[in-house]
This record gives sequence, structure tokens and C-alpha cells, in this order.
Amino acid sequence: EVQLLESGGDLIHPGGSLRLSCAASGFTFSNSAMSWVRQAPGKGLEWVSSITGDGRTYYADSVKGRFTISRDNSKNTLSLQMNSLRVEDTALYYCARLTLAVAGDFDYWGQGTLVTVSS
Amino acid sequence: DIQMTQSPSSLSASIGDRVTITCRASQSISSYLNWYQQKPGKAPKLLIYAASSLQSGVPSRFSGSGSWTDFTLTISSLQPEDFATYFCQQSSSIPLTFGGGTKVEI
Repeated sequence: EVQLLESGGDLIHPGGSLRLSCAASGFTFSNSAMSWVRQAPGKGLEWVSSITGDGRTYYADSVKGRFTISRDNSKNTLSLQMNSLRVEDTALYYCARLTLAVAGDFDYWGQGTLVTVSS
Repeated sequence: DIQMTQSPSSLSASIGDRVTITCRASQSISSYLNWYQQKPGKAPKLLIYAASSLQSGVPSRFSGSGSWTDFTLTISSLQPEDFATYFCQQSSSIPLTFGGGTKVEI
């Protein structure tokens, strides 16, 4: 059974940093492209970043230069380092598996971890 | 960036109704269109990929159609568990983008 378990969400002041993690199991993690997708309270879904199995990375313009996606294939873990956080980064952050290497659909999702940016 | 526009943003329907949700892309995306269902407090669930392919385990009352810029999600006979919010997503190019969602209510 595929499982994605996010952690690391917290209440953080604007300008602060946070690191999210996603523990994956039930599939061959190293072969899978992974993504972060966020959802602001009461709003729609927004793609944040993706990383291929071999480490190529992609970012939404809204987070480019502030967020860094990475993966540890030996530990089946996906991470998102979030720096210079803004109030508008407040959201539930989902870890999701991409079916294709770069642009695809998300066939499995975690339950999300909440990031709140507020003074 | 490719903009995805869903309509309607919400709709009211009854059990057994046929429900249709549309999604329009700002430019051609061939058949790179996916549909998700999200219930309150839950993660999205993939229903349809590549415009018309049913994800494993999804009931056959869900179907998708369309190509290029215009797409449709149809629920042939609405069931109680189908009351949720539905999102489309294009997978033609980065950045991956979603529609604004359609809330299906009783």
C-alpha cells in the first residue's frame, strides 16, 4: 500500500524558515517523480515544486529562489526547505507522487502538513 | 502559464442526477487533463487522467471527455458519497496548474 506521510508544518513568523518532510512507502521511491502541492485555507490547489527520480527540480514562480525541493532515495524521503516565508505561503502542504517524470497527474497524496505564516 | 477555468464554481444536485462539470484551458493541452475529487478535510483523489481514462478503483459512473481546450467531467448518477469539490489539472507543461474547483452540493 502506497503511503505518504508529511511532517514539519508549524506556525512561523514572516521571514522565517521551515523544512517539510514526506516519508514514502509502498512503492519504488527512487523511480518516482514527487511533488509538493499546497492549498491555502478555503482555496484551491497550487502546484509548488517537483523533483524527478534523478534529481531534476522544478518550481512555481511564486516560490522560486525561496524554496528548495530535495530527496533522499536511500531513506525514501522527500523534503521542502522553505526560506523567507511570507503570509501568502500559509497553506496545507501536500506531498504527492507524479505519474510521469516531469508533467503528469498526481496518483497518490499524503494527508498534508499545515504551515501558518503569521506575526 | 496555462490557465484552467472551471464552471460552474458550485452546483446543487440531487441523488440520481446526471452532473456535468466543464474545464477550459487557455491554450491547447491535447488530452493532458486530469480530474480530482476532494472531500472536506481530505486529500484530493485522482478520478480521471489523460482526459478520459478512469483511475483504478474509481466507480464507472465517473467519466471524462474532451480534448485540446475543452473538457468535461460527468457523473452519470450522483450518489451520496459524490458530494465534494472537483478540480481539473493540466499536465501538458510546467507549471502544472489547477482549475478553481467546482463544489457539488445537495
